[in-house]
Amino acid sequence: TQLLEQSPQFLSIQEGENLTVYCNSSSVFSSLQWYRQEPGEGPVLLVTVVTGGEVKKLKRLTFQFGDARKDSSLHITAAQPGDTGLYLCAGAGNAGGTSYGKLTFGQGTILTVHP
Amino acid sequence: ETGVTQSPTHLIKTRGQQVTLRCSSQSGHNTVSWYQQALGQGPQFIFQYYREEENGRGNFPPRFSGLQFPNYSSELNVNALELDDSALYLCASSSDPKNIQYFGAGTRLSVL
Repeated sequence: TQLLEQSPQFLSIQEGENLTVYCNSSSVFSSLQWYRQEPGEGPVLLVTVVTGGEVKKLKRLTFQFGDARKDSSLHITAAQPGDTGLYLCAGAGNAGGTSYGKLTFGQGTILTVHP
Repeated sequence: ETGVTQSPTHLIKTRGQQVTLRCSSQSGHNTVSWYQQALGQGPQFIFQYYREEENGRGNFPPRFSGLQFPNYSSELNVNALELDDSALYLCASSSDPKNIQYFGAGTRLSVL
């Protein structure tokens, strides 16, 4: 069974602070995705990382995929209240390959940014 | 907005009843995946439908079943509801089974 562990589960910070969320697995994924979910909404895709060691930037968000494609991190610089939400990492596929696109999600990180 | 729509948005049922949830996929998408998200947890994969056939299934009992129609919309059916079935049910569509999945806003099911 593939599992993704996210940490921390809860993060409460002040506006302007930096933060990092981690996503770790013992399994290899063909790609890893980060989503943000707000109450009453479905997850919205932020980024997909595919290549080991890949780094992607989206404004103040930096995403990194580990060299072995088993872990990832999300770093937010100068957090703002609008960043508040549930952040989810999700692994797609595995080293053996599947015929379908199952996403394996972590349990999520609830981020609250106080003004 | 992703173009994936789910209905109803909220539903209250009692234990033992049956429920049907509906999902309209984004235009041009032929694949629909269903997920269950319990409160405070990440979504868990239920199954995927591709071109009207089940194309993969997660660790859910047979009382969770589905359908996909020729227009690629989909239904999730749950029989003999249990209290633990209370969750947000998410539908995601994609242009191919392994392509990026776009999520709807979900159906919040409460089982009393």
